Amino acid sequence: SQTIHQWPATLVQPVGSPLSLECTVEGTSNPNLYWYRQAAGRGLQLLFYSVGIGQISSEVPQNLSASRPQDRQFILSSKKLLLSDSGFYLCAWSAGPPVETQYFGPGTRLLVL
Amino acid sequence: SQQGEEDPQALSIQEGENATMNCSYKTSINNLQWYRQNSGRGLVHLILIRSNEREKHSGRLRVTLDTSKKSSSLLITASRAADTASYFCATPPNFGNEKLTFGTGTRLTIIP
Repeated sequence: SQTIHQWPATLVQPVGSPLSLECTVEGTSNPNLYWYRQAAGRGLQLLFYSVGIGQISSEVPQNLSASRPQDRQFILSSKKLLLSDSGFYLCAWSAGPPVETQYFGPGTRLLVL
Repeated sequence: SQQGEEDPQALSIQEGENATMNCSYKTSINNLQWYRQNSGRGLVHLILIRSNEREKHSGRLRVTLDTSKKSSSLLITASRAADTASYFCATPPNFGNEKLTFGTGTRLTIIP
């Protein structure tokens, strides 16, 4: 069966520090991969998605970037965090296209101070 | 703007009652999905309804889709305390796209 991992689970970082969040998927090949951010009590904002190694689509221009160095690995990065980067970051995968069910990881709670 | 908008934003009901949440969307779709999110957790897929379906059931869940009104509803029957969560609808913004757009969510609280 497929599983999706995210780490770390929680992270507290100072403003201006770098960021690296990692997501890996097991049990499937060539998945579509997604990074979302969720502000407290709000909906999901799609940040990046990838349909293959090295293929990244950015949805929201900001100081974040994403990379997909391996088929089942998706990394979210920042060179300098902003206060507004605080939130709950969710990684997800799906088969497709067309996209049907998305499977979510447990999330990383990021607090930028 | 959001592709999906859930209504109401928050709903509190007594355990055992039925809960109904609505979702409206803007563009043509080939499917609509509902997800549940427990506090501090990732989302879990509940049910998918295709554009050629009008109603679908899964256990205590009943989903309807009205493509002429661009709306869907999620009914949870005989609610339980464990149903307390946020519920989101999600749609592909265009046919065959690689991504989903999620609504703003309905926060459901079941009062024991």
